[in-house]
Amino acid sequence: AQSVTQLDSQVPVFEEAPVELRCNYSSSVSVYLFWYVQYPNQGLQLLLKYLSGSTLVKSINGFEAEFNKSQTSFHLRKPSVHISDTAEYFCAVRTGSGNTGKLIFGQGTTLQVKP
Amino acid sequence: GAVVSQHPSRVICKSGTSVKIECRSLDFQATTMFWYRQFPKQSLMLMATSNEGSKATYEQGVEKDKFLINHASLTLSTLTVTSAHPEDSSFYICSASSPGFTEKLFFGSGTQLSVL
Repeated sequence: AQSVTQLDSQVPVFEEAPVELRCNYSSSVSVYLFWYVQYPNQGLQLLLKYLSGSTLVKSINGFEAEFNKSQTSFHLRKPSVHISDTAEYFCAVRTGSGNTGKLIFGQGTTLQVKP
Repeated sequence: GAVVSQHPSRVICKSGTSVKIECRSLDFQATTMFWYRQFPKQSLMLMATSNEGSKATYEQGVEKDKFLINHASLTLSTLTVTSAHPEDSSFYICSASSPGFTEKLFFGSGTQLSVL
C-alpha cells in the first residue's frame, strides 16, 4: 500500500528566507507525485507534479520539487518565500494512469511566513 | 481554469439528522468525483470514488449506508451523511476529474460539518 509522510506539521520562516517542506512516500510500484496548496478558506490547488521525465519540476510561482527515487522523497523548496505563500501544503502520491488512480495525501504542512 | 463548487461551506446539525453536501463542476464534465474527509491536523482520507451513472466505490472502513453518494449527472455529485453523530464532525472535500484534464484533479473548497 502507498503512504505519504510529511515530516513537519508546521514550518515558520521569515519573509525572503528559503524553505523546504519535506515529503517521503512508500510504494512498491511506480507513482505519480503531487504537491497541493490550500490557502485559507479555499480549495486545494495543484502546485506542481511529477509524472515522468526530468526529476526536477517547477511551478510558476517559484516553487520546485525534486523526485528522488532512491530516497523515496519529493521535497518542496523555494529559495525566497513571500507572505502570500502562507498556506497549508499537501504532498500526495497516486498510482495508476489517467483519472482512475487514487490520491493518497500526507498530513499537510503549514507554512507560516513572517514579516 | 476548471472550477468545482462545493456547498455548503459550513453546516451545523443536530445528532440524528441527515446532511447533504453538493459538489458541482461548473465548466467541465466531471466523469469521476472523489470524496475526502479531513480531521484536524490530519491528512485527507479518501472515502469513496464515484463515476457518473454508476454506484460509488467505497474505501475500506467507510460505511456506504452512512455516507450516501449520488453522481447522477456529469456536473453534480452529492454526499449525504445519514443520521449524523458527533463523531461524523469533520471537514469534507470533493474533487472532480475529467478525461480532458489528464492527471489533474480539481477540488472544492470543502464543507465543515459540526454535529451537536
